[in-house]
Amino acid sequence: DAGVTQSPTHLIKTRGQQVTLRCSPKSGHDTVSWYQQALGQGPQFIFQYYEEEERQRGNFPDRFSGHQFPNYSSELNVNALLLGDSALYLCASSFAGGPEKLFFGSGTQLSVL
Amino acid sequence: GENVEQHPSTLSVQEGDSAVIKCTYSDSASNYFPWYKQELGKGPQLIIDIRSNVGEKKDQRIAVTLNKTAKHFSLHITETQPEDSAVYFCAASKDSWGKLQFGAGTQVVVTP
Repeated sequence: DAGVTQSPTHLIKTRGQQVTLRCSPKSGHDTVSWYQQALGQGPQFIFQYYEEEERQRGNFPDRFSGHQFPNYSSELNVNALLLGDSALYLCASSFAGGPEKLFFGSGTQLSVL
Repeated sequence: GENVEQHPSTLSVQEGDSAVIKCTYSDSASNYFPWYKQELGKGPQLIIDIRSNVGEKKDQRIAVTLNKTAKHFSLHITETQPEDSAVYFCAASKDSWGKLQFGAGTQVVVTP
């Protein structure tokens, strides 16, 4: 049983560029949440997707957007990258009809130069 | 919004001793409290969780306690082993949507 998979594992971009990160949820899961983890800090909630719609959003600007596909996989897009966007981006999946146990992928390490 | 504070930020213990990490939360509506373990280069791994209608939960060498009145919860690791070395995060949630508010983490180092 594959867990949550994310791609790419590492990414280097320059300020002003745009980036797309990808996530495939754990088998049987239908909900995908994205978190940003800065170095030495706990993950911060970005947003969550269920039934291809954004269900809840944290305190992140509109530069952060996402999408969920019919197969439950998801993308996180960040436009106009800033140096402060450098972080580990984590995808977590869960099953909407069950307990709220979140399972995380290993993340995408984004460096903005 | 919800705020979760976690202490200590670092914890060094001898192998075989116990480790305790404490968290407090601000929103009395929070009803779900998971703990995650994060090893270097990996994503957080759920190790144990507790709901607000339960005061204590154990799973082998780890246990979590919850005091709703005081709004704090703790992780206890007994008979620590070197493989317990990692960063541990507490979190809180007040809905079933999966939005977790995390603490800042505790770096646990178990020395042989």
